[in-house]
Parts: sequence; C-alpha cells; structure tokens
Amino acid sequence: ETGVTQTPRHLVMGMTNKKSLKCEQHLGHNAMYWYKQSAKKPLELMFVYNFKEQTENNSVPSRFSPECPNSSHLFLHLHTLQPEDSALYLCASSQASGLPTGELFFGEGSRLTVL
Amino acid sequence: AQTVTQSQPEMSVQEAETVTLSCTYDTSENNYYLFWYKQPPSRQMILVIRQEAYKQQNATENRFSVNFQKAAKSFSLKISDSQLGDTAMYFCAFVIIQGAQKLVFGQGTRLTINP
Repeated sequence: ETGVTQTPRHLVMGMTNKKSLKCEQHLGHNAMYWYKQSAKKPLELMFVYNFKEQTENNSVPSRFSPECPNSSHLFLHLHTLQPEDSALYLCASSQASGLPTGELFFGEGSRLTVL
Repeated sequence: AQTVTQSQPEMSVQEAETVTLSCTYDTSENNYYLFWYKQPPSRQMILVIRQEAYKQQNATENRFSVNFQKAAKSFSLKISDSQLGDTAMYFCAFVIIQGAQKLVFGQGTRLTINP
C-alpha cells in the first residue's frame, strides 16, 4: 500500500449530483488535509483535521463537506457543485504530535470535472 | 498573512545543465520550515528538500541544494546536472511549526528538462 491513497482518481459530475472523494493514509499520521489545486494558482488549503477534529475551514463553501471518521480516513462530500469547482483535489497527511517535521505526504489527487 | 511567491511560471533547460528556481516568502514568524516539493506529470507531489529557518547552513540533497537568505526572505532551489526525470512542477512552501502543519504554497514553476 502506498502512503496516501485517493479514490477515485477521476470524477465527472453534473451540478446536481452528490459524490464523495476518499482518502486513506497508511503512515500512522494524525493530521489530514484537503487541498484544491487549480491551474496557475497556488494550492489552496481547504480543511485540516488534527486527531479527527476539524481545526481549519479555510472559508470553503458549504457545498464541500468534509468528514474524518478516524485518523486514517478522510472524505470530501460534494453536492451541487459549480463548474469553477473543477480542479485537482489533493489529500495529504502529516505527523502532528511529538516532533513535527513540517512535511506533508500527498496522495495522487482526484481530478474533478463539474459539467 | 503568510505568502509565498514564485516569479517564474515556466522554465526550460537542457539535460545536464544547472537551473535555479526562485522563491520569496513573507512572514513575521521566526520559527518555520521551508520546502521545495516536486509534482511530476500525473504523479503525486513529493518532498525534494527542507530547510529549518533556525539553521544558517543551506540544505543539500544530492543534486538539489537551496540558497536560504533569511533576512531577504528568499529560498531558491538549485538543480545541478539536471535529468529528464526532473521535469515537473516545483512548488515552494512554508509552514509555521505548530500542531497541524498548514503549508502555504507558491504558484509553482513548471520546469522542463530537454534532451
């Protein structure tokens, strides 16, 4: 198993659909993150979970709903999205206790297209 | 607010040449880490090199080295003897050390190594 796994890798959905992105990490980390990567823009931090508790919501619209049932799994539930939400969504994890190194470990991303 | 700026959207060099990618950042904090991440086409983002702000010595990892100028808030990446596999998006990132590691990324530099 690779360190951080994201599914699906590609997703096409209509504006009225409801779908979910899944992320799983096998690194024993206790912090997980969702980032949005759009062309020609810096990566945008969306949500941070630290020991399953949400510690950051970076003014993300409510049509994106995160869920972190345990330290190894992170979901991003999507509903009534807009075409401008089309992007690569990256999940990452890190060690948040002990001596943090500052390093994030990323999944390969889920490429979302909203029609 | 912390910001990271990469002023070179794209760069292209010949194989075996040396290339330097620029990065500047802005923060009022004193304890932080700086990173360069590499994102190959359709592959996951991985850490290239890390620099602790309290260390004056520049970090090196094989062919990769940084020029860290703390007073100028500059953090450039030098790739020596460039290889075709170095072709990727390169992101400069910055994090304040705390519980969850909320990295702030630059816009990225698309580097192409030509044969």
